[in-house]
Amino acid sequence: GNSVTQMQGQVTLSEEEFLFINCTYSTTGYPTLFWYVQYPGEGPQLLLKVTTANNKGSSRGFEATYDKGTTSFHLQKASVQESDSAVYYCVLGDLRSSGSWQLIFGSGTQLTVMP
Amino acid sequence: DMKVTQMPRYLIKRMGENVLLECGQDMSHETMYWYRQDPGLGLQLIYISYDVDSNSEGDIPKGYRVSRKKREHFSLILDSAKTNQTSVYFCASSSGDQDTQYFGPGTRLLVL
Repeated sequence: GNSVTQMQGQVTLSEEEFLFINCTYSTTGYPTLFWYVQYPGEGPQLLLKVTTANNKGSSRGFEATYDKGTTSFHLQKASVQESDSAVYYCVLGDLRSSGSWQLIFGSGTQLTVMP
Repeated sequence: DMKVTQMPRYLIKRMGENVLLECGQDMSHETMYWYRQDPGLGLQLIYISYDVDSNSEGDIPKGYRVSRKKREHFSLILDSAKTNQTSVYFCASSSGDQDTQYFGPGTRLLVL
């Protein structure tokens, strides 16, 4: 079935360091891909969204590029801040057999940024 | 202000008791969802609701049922709660099937 894989459970960086979070996906089609971010005590919120039409998304200094060849959708940021500490989810938009749409979440990557 | 609310935020129940989790949204969204979040598993879809009285099972519906009698409210019911239903439950809504989902703050449920 369709799935999303995030191998990094935890990432710890110092402020102003470069962030790279791996994500690979498995699907038979050309899905819409998302990164959601979850801050402590809150629900997930959309960080960015990429469709087959645009291949690349960016928001708040974060970037993600949709690579159909390697089925990857890595998240990057040039210079992290302490306020970026959160859990980041790579998410696949999937069309179910019933014809309805759902989100498939990766297992999440906890980012901790030290001051 | 676009908002999804969940009540209660924290709940402790004994095994075998009934549990009612409530969700509300003020965006007139047609589609609403219930997820559970467990460590290392991300979020798993329990149920989807496309509108009033139009509900569909997600990936892990067993042990749960839902009710949607008004567009702005979506309830998750656990009849005879089990210890393995201890989790954090999130409600979400979206304006369309493929649109951004807006999540509530979650309900932390502990079943003893």
